[in-house]
Amino acid sequence: GENVEQHPSTLSVQEGDSAVIKCTYSDSASNYFPWYKQELGKGPQLIIDIRSNVGEKKDQRIAVTLNKTAKHFSLHITETQPEDSAVYFCAASKVGEAGGTSYGKLTFGQGTILTVHP
Amino acid sequence: NAGVTQTPKFRILKIGQSMTLQCTQDMNHNYMYWYRQDPGMGLKLIYYSVGAGITDKGEVPNGYNVSRSTTEDFPLRLELAAPSQTSVYFCASSYPRGLETQYFGPGTRLLVL
Repeated sequence: GENVEQHPSTLSVQEGDSAVIKCTYSDSASNYFPWYKQELGKGPQLIIDIRSNVGEKKDQRIAVTLNKTAKHFSLHITETQPEDSAVYFCAASKVGEAGGTSYGKLTFGQGTILTVHP
Repeated sequence: NAGVTQTPKFRILKIGQSMTLQCTQDMNHNYMYWYRQDPGMGLKLIYYSVGAGITDKGEVPNGYNVSRSTTEDFPLRLELAAPSQTSVYFCASSYPRGLETQYFGPGTRLLVL
């Protein structure tokens, strides 16, 4: 089955700096890669996702890049703010026609605790 | 829409007791999932359902059971609770195709002593 590795496990930055979190996956058939943000005491919430037919996607201060050949993808947060402090999870899945009977099941990385210091 | 709701928020069980974690979604999603999250770890899939009456095992199904009698509800049953089942449990739902975003509930924290 799919295996997703996420690094680093903790990341501490100063407000205004950039933060980068990296994930690698094992199943070359995976084609959907979401990133979730989990605030203390809450469920994960999708912040951005990317599909395998796209190399990069941006949404304001957040961007995700995908390298299919190397089977890794990264989350980039620019101009970090204290409210960005949370646990971030990457995940991989096979969806759509290429996914067959995967039914959108997500395999998660271990999570990164991001702390942004004012 | 309330989205995905879970009850209870927190529960303490004694070893060997049973309980049902409730999950309800009001988005008319076909797909529903149960995950567990252990400290310092990512979420692991316990069971999932692609529609009413259809369920299947995920990565860590042992010690759990599920049912899906309606589109809205997807309860998770723990029989004979064990300390290894101490965790935070999340329910999620999504559309089947084209809109794969999984929407998560707030979680149920379970402590088995």
